[in-house]
Amino acid sequence: TQLLEQSPQFLSIQEGENLTVYCNSSSVFSSLQWYRQEPGEGPVLLVTVVTGGEVKKLKRLTFQFGDARKDSSLHITAAQPGDTGLYLCGSGNQFYFGTGTSLTVIP
Amino acid sequence: ETGVTQSPTHLIKTRGQQVTLRCSSQSGHNTVSWYQQALGQGPQFIFQYYREEENGRGNFPPRFSGLQFPNYSSELNVNALELDDSALYLCASSYNSGIETQYFGPGTRLLVL
Repeated sequence: TQLLEQSPQFLSIQEGENLTVYCNSSSVFSSLQWYRQEPGEGPVLLVTVVTGGEVKKLKRLTFQFGDARKDSSLHITAAQPGDTGLYLCGSGNQFYFGTGTSLTVIP
Repeated sequence: ETGVTQSPTHLIKTRGQQVTLRCSSQSGHNTVSWYQQALGQGPQFIFQYYREEENGRGNFPPRFSGLQFPNYSSELNVNALELDDSALYLCASSYNSGIETQYFGPGTRLLVL
C-alpha cells in the first residue's frame, strides 16, 4: 500500500499549457515536500508546505497544502520544456515519497 | 561546499552476490538516508543514519544493511542479491533528521543479472 498517491502518473503536454499534479493520502502529515527529478540525477527539493491551506508560489509553480493536511497539489502555468521531469511529493519526515508524476513538455 | 556524492555510478552484479554502495554526505550534514528507486517510481525509504546510529528503517529485509562513519559518510550493503534489487539507489544527507531539507546524490544504478 502506497502512503502517498500521485496523479496522473504520466502527463505529456504542449509548451504553454497549464497542468496540475495531485498528491493524496489518507494520513495527516505535519508537512509535505515537492521535488523534481531529472534523468540521471537525484530529486531536488522545490518547496515544503507546512500549514493546512497554505499556498506557496515559485515562479510559474504554485503549491497548495490541503486544509486537512492530507493532500497537496502542484500547478504549473505556461509549462516550458525545462519543466520536464519526474515530480515527487514526499512526507515531511522524508520517509515516504509519492508514486511520482512523469511530465513531458513538448516544444 | 561539496554536494552529496555517490560511488560507483553504475554497477552490474549477478544473483547471490553482495554489493557495497558508498555515499559522502554534504559538508556539515550528520544524517544520511538511503532510498531504492525503481524506474519511473518514487523512492522507497530503506533506512536513515543519524550520528552513526540507525534512526529509522523502511520495509526492507535484513540483507539490506548500512553503516555511517565518524565523518558521516555512509555505506549501503546488500547481500544475496536478487533480480528485483535492480534499481537506482539514492542517498540523501541533511543536518539533523526530521524535516530538515535533505540533498540527494546522483544515485548508483545497480543491475542484477
